[in-house]
Amino acid sequence: GQNIDQPTEMTATEGAIVQINCTYQTSGFNGLFWYQQHAGEAPTFLSYNVLDGLEEKGRFSSFLSRSKGYSYLLLKELQMKDSASYLCAVMDSNYQLIWGAGTKLIIKP
Amino acid sequence: GAVVSQHPSRVICKSGTSVKIECRSLDFQATTMFWYRQFPKKSLMLMATSNEGSKATYEQGVEKDKFLINHASLTLSTLTVTSAHPEDSSFYICSARPGGEFQPQHFGDGTRLSIL
Repeated sequence: GQNIDQPTEMTATEGAIVQINCTYQTSGFNGLFWYQQHAGEAPTFLSYNVLDGLEEKGRFSSFLSRSKGYSYLLLKELQMKDSASYLCAVMDSNYQLIWGAGTKLIIKP
Repeated sequence: GAVVSQHPSRVICKSGTSVKIECRSLDFQATTMFWYRQFPKKSLMLMATSNEGSKATYEQGVEKDKFLINHASLTLSTLTVTSAHPEDSSFYICSARPGGEFQPQHFGDGTRLSIL
């Protein structure tokens, strides 16, 4: 079966750095997406990785290792507004998005 | 760019009512739109993939006669929840892609449906 694993919840301190991991087992791979979802709102697109390596976009970076079936989202200089759920989604060989359950990130002052 | 508008944002209605939700891509054409359902503290559950000019593809377990999808143009898809019951209460979210499969999906703001 297809499976996306990410931690249910993480806590970090304002100004710090946090890494949210995502591991996947899917039938084929056509890229991995990270989305941010604030409570009660729809998800917003953060990043897309299809090749191995690190993609940096401001305070957020996303890393992919296809051989390990592993990705992480790195958030630097955390702000209170970063408190949200972070969803990992993998596109399989049928171009279907397989969604993880999301990681709820709690930022403390 | 890549703005998706979803309307209404909130609906409260009586059991047995049919509810229509609209999803529009405002600044791009979307041959494919997606309809999701999300329960509190749970991940997104894909209900169906809506293709312009053809029938929607429903995920296993989703009743197509219950959740009617129409994708009449490249910028508009609608989801109608027919004869809604309290168990249909949920957060419904649409998304659209501005291009091919490797483009990210962009989401509407969601519709919170409450059936009394």
